[in-house]
Amino acid sequence: SQQGEEDPQALSIQEGENATMNCSYKTSINNLQWYRQNSGRGLVHLILIRSNEREKHSGRLRVTLDTSKKSSSLLITASRAADTASYFCAQGLIQGAQKLVFGQGTRLTINP
Amino acid sequence: NAGVTQTPKFRVLKTGQSMTLLCAQDMNHEYMYWYRQDPGMGLRLIHYSVGEGTTAKGEVPDGYNVSRLKKQNFLLGLESAAPSQTSVYFCASSTGGPSLNQPQHFGDGTRLSIL
Repeated sequence: SQQGEEDPQALSIQEGENATMNCSYKTSINNLQWYRQNSGRGLVHLILIRSNEREKHSGRLRVTLDTSKKSSSLLITASRAADTASYFCAQGLIQGAQKLVFGQGTRLTINP
Repeated sequence: NAGVTQTPKFRVLKTGQSMTLLCAQDMNHEYMYWYRQDPGMGLRLIHYSVGEGTTAKGEVPDGYNVSRLKKQNFLLGLESAAPSQTSVYFCASSTGGPSLNQPQHFGDGTRLSIL
């Protein structure tokens, strides 16, 4: 299976703390994408990092990519209650079908 | 802009019944996708389309058919519903494929129960 793995499966922190989620994958990628899913809603695209990039920022989000280790991490700084959601990484593959391969997600809970 | 709209939002079917899920996007996107999301499984691709009149199989296509007669619409059909098809179905669209570094835009899903 090409499906990536996310770690941890669940994370609970206090508001204001930083949250880090990790994603590992198996195949060669063109990019790695992160999505957020609020309960009962669809996925929302957060950030895309290309295979030739090592770090990318967007507001309170910081994504790193290490292609030699086939891993990526998403850091959310100064977390807020509204950040409570599930977060998914998705591999944009180089070869084969024009599709994303999603991980199983990390459930993040921010406690007030 | 409505973005990606899925209808219906909820549906309960009996085993053996058929139904069609509709996805509509107003962003003039070429690519459209159907996924299913099951607990602990992440999202799995059922079928996708890279343009009007085209369709292709994804990871879990059995028991489903799709059509893309108009660029803005992507229909997912269940020919003979089975309990194993109980899931949340998501439609997504994008301007290009992942190899072109394009993100996907998702609808809010259809929650389908097969009894």
